[in-house]
Amino acid sequence: AQSVAQPEDQVNVAEGNPLTVKCTYSVSGNPYLFWYVQYPNRGLQFLLKYITGDNLVKGSYGFEAEFNKSQTSFHLKKPSALVSDSALYFCAVRDNSGGYNKLIFGAGTRLAVHP
Amino acid sequence: NAGVTQTPKFQVLKTGQSMTLQCAQDMNHEYMSWYRQDPGMGLRLIHYSVGAGITDQGEVPNGYNVSRSTTEDFPLRLLSAAPSQTSVYFCASNSGQGASVGELFFGEGSRLTVL
Repeated sequence: AQSVAQPEDQVNVAEGNPLTVKCTYSVSGNPYLFWYVQYPNRGLQFLLKYITGDNLVKGSYGFEAEFNKSQTSFHLKKPSALVSDSALYFCAVRDNSGGYNKLIFGAGTRLAVHP
Repeated sequence: NAGVTQTPKFQVLKTGQSMTLQCAQDMNHEYMSWYRQDPGMGLRLIHYSVGAGITDQGEVPNGYNVSRSTTEDFPLRLLSAAPSQTSVYFCASNSGQGASVGELFFGEGSRLTVL
């Protein structure tokens, strides 16, 4: 079965420090991987994706993610965290047994950046 | 610059009542979908549509109906509400295939409580 795991319910980081939000996946075939962010009382917003090519993917708001095929991971990173980065982050993988846009989401990781 | 519009934003129902959550997008997107978001479970796909007149079931379709008579609208019907359907519901759309695959545009959500 295809799935996504986000092992941390919450990540706490001091402003200015680097941050990492972890994601591992299980999928049949080539993985299409995504990160989304949700601010309070809002819908999800697309951050970045990996389909093919360079293992380091750059996205919105200074975020990047590293695809590691051997570890089946797609961790989200940012070199220097901002308080405004505090939000709920979701990793997702495309369901390769279905349509082009069917995504399977992880449970989410809450990022708290402290001043 | 509306994007994906969901109504209502909040609704309280009694067990057994029916209702329709409305979703409209003005981006001429072929793909539309409904997710529900529950704490600790991420987002789960209810139903999706790849174009007018075409719908299919997602991971958790029981108790919900959809139709797609136009490209713009994708309503979600709860036939006989149950407390287990208390959730936040998100509508999402995408242009279809091509470079934007998996880049979903989300509405701001509809919070439903079933008593």
